[in-house]
Amino acid sequence: DAMVIQNPRYQVTQFGKPVTLSCSQTLNHNVMYWYQQKSSQAPKLLFHYYDKDFNNEADTPDNFQSRRPNTSFCFLDIRSPGLGDAAMYLCATSRPGEFYPDTQYFGPGTRLTVL
Amino acid sequence: GEDVEQSLFLSVREGDSSVINCTYTDSSSTYLYWYKQEPGAGLQLLTYIFSNMDMKQDQRLTVLLNKKDKHLSLRIADTQTGDSAIYFCAESMLEGNLIFGKGTKLSVKP
Repeated sequence: DAMVIQNPRYQVTQFGKPVTLSCSQTLNHNVMYWYQQKSSQAPKLLFHYYDKDFNNEADTPDNFQSRRPNTSFCFLDIRSPGLGDAAMYLCATSRPGEFYPDTQYFGPGTRLTVL
Repeated sequence: GEDVEQSLFLSVREGDSSVINCTYTDSSSTYLYWYKQEPGAGLQLLTYIFSNMDMKQDQRLTVLLNKKDKHLSLRIADTQTGDSAIYFCAESMLEGNLIFGKGTKLSVKP
């Protein structure tokens, strides 16, 4: 089945220790998104790739970086995680078209714990 | 600015209908979405409605859109315990970004 896969599902890291979260997709969608969702809050868009074009949200901290080596994979790098970065990180994909909605399909998420 | 508002909690009895409401502020929204999130899981797309429609039905789900009042609702008929989850309303902006509400936690009592 075509899907959005996130690894790992649970990640524990130490304060200040870099961490990388992974997202892959078999949908062949050209847009990939990373969201941060803190407890009892709405998902907040961090950035997205439209093909190879990187689009950063204005309020995304510099601590968060992303890489997209090919269509299928996208990585979220947190250079120096703080306690406030503990959250669920959601990856989503979409394929914008002229005649149909730009629906986003989400992966299961990676829950990040920072000790 | 863009804002999507939802009530935070809804409790219903199994077999009853659930109605989850949402209001949004941006009249240029193209599509409006309902996503479901079960505990510890990602967001599952339930349904969407184009902004020039006023109703969409999909099995037990009915979406109503009042564009004049910028009000969206999701009705779940014959609510089951498996419907217990958080339901997010989201509006799609022209540039393709989604603006989410904070989610409504639906609790279904047997």
